[in-house]
Amino acid sequence: AQKVTQAQTEISVVEKEDVTLDCVYETRDTTYYLFWYKQPPSGELVFLIRRNSFDEQNEISGRYSWNFQKSTSSFNFTITASQVVDSAVYFCALRTNAGKSTFGDGTTLTVKP
Amino acid sequence: DAGVIQSPRHEVTEMGQEVTLRCKPISGHDYLFWYRQTMMRGLELLIYFNNNVPIDDSGMPEDRFSAKMPNASFSTLKIQPSEPRDSAVYFCASSPPGPYTGELFFGEGSRLTVL
Repeated sequence: AQKVTQAQTEISVVEKEDVTLDCVYETRDTTYYLFWYKQPPSGELVFLIRRNSFDEQNEISGRYSWNFQKSTSSFNFTITASQVVDSAVYFCALRTNAGKSTFGDGTTLTVKP
Repeated sequence: DAGVIQSPRHEVTEMGQEVTLRCKPISGHDYLFWYRQTMMRGLELLIYFNNNVPIDDSGMPEDRFSAKMPNASFSTLKIQPSEPRDSAVYFCASSPPGPYTGELFFGEGSRLTVL
């Protein structure tokens, strides 16, 4: 069985602050895939980033960056210089090689002007 | 290209009625997922299919729920009889075939209210 835990239920920051969203996962699979999705107030779910379990290289994409640490089963996501439009619910997800995709409970991010 | 298409977008029904939610995945995608989102339970995986075959239905809450995928371009989620606790947003998502296990593409959701 797999599990994704997002301990932060809500985070509030002021515009231009950096913010990190935490994600811890559990799985018995040796190959798996980790994702972050965004759900803005309009309700749709949008893919943001993906990382494979066999690639621990951390990356930066624009204002987004992520820190994958297999040793601690964590896949944290950072938004640099946050903007009001970043206000949304962010979900971390784990997908197994069999295809099953499990989501965390989400972190509600509010960016105040 | 069209994304995942769900219908209806909104459904209001009375307790005891049958509800059918529909989903058309993105052409060429061979995985299809049904999720339910509520404030209390978050985003729950109900069932997923690969090549039209149900792979894992362990998230289906009870026998009142059933899902089918008769062909690669259509799936239904049926609730019979519906109850007020079934009120939620139901999302359908699809993803492409390998070689890697990719991201899910979500529909806009079907908001169900059972009175």
